[in-house]
Amino acid sequence: SSELTQDPAVSVALGQIVRITCQGDSLRSNYASWYQQKPGQAPLLVIYGENNRPSGIPDRFSGSSSGNTASLTITGAQAEDEADYYCNSRDNSGNVLYVFGTGTKVTVL
Amino acid sequence: QVQLQQSGPGLVKPSQTLSLTCAISGDSVSSNSAAWNWIRQSPSRGLEWLGRTYYRSKWYNNYGVSVSGRVTFNSDTSKNQISLQLDSVTPEDTAVYYCARGITARPAYYFDSWGQGTLVTVSS
Repeated sequence: SSELTQDPAVSVALGQIVRITCQGDSLRSNYASWYQQKPGQAPLLVIYGENNRPSGIPDRFSGSSSGNTASLTITGAQAEDEADYYCNSRDNSGNVLYVFGTGTKVTVL
Repeated sequence: QVQLQQSGPGLVKPSQTLSLTCAISGDSVSSNSAAWNWIRQSPSRGLEWLGRTYYRSKWYNNYGVSVSGRVTFNSDTSKNQISLQLDSVTPEDTAVYYCARGITARPAYYFDSWGQGTLVTVSS
């Protein structure tokens, strides 16, 4: 299957901006979706499509993409945003339909 | 609001069958706009899509290559639930298993509702 690569970890000061990236060939033709996962919980969808937030997701979360890279930006990070974040996309390899990124641990300082 | 409630054993012996159920509320298992997916997560493999079942005038299944040949999906419209059976399990199948609703709005694909997860350990 295709791979979606993310940086393992990133830290951000409280109230500042953090951008998480996701790279993979499948992103050239498919949007990424983004998930927040806190310890012991299921992933939670935070961004899908071009830049859409499900109901209840704060507007400090936004998404963008360019070429083979998708990005999730948190503008004004809060303590409760500390979590693992995963990207996801349709896979073009034929082995699976969907592939997930390797995950980024976001620490809010 | 869609809710998915998983059930099933947390311990399975090697070579036996792993069976999980996902009860759906707030949507129909035979929805024409959703697909019902199984995803697992382990430290070694990360988040891994296992497959999906969905209804579009008839039932369809898709499987990930890592479990193809060992996995079966069933749907029960009377109980509005789906189930997963994974045969001949090994310790490599130890993971947290999730069911999730998948939505397709090409070229956007996403999982907007997830079950609570079931930790399944394969051990004798």
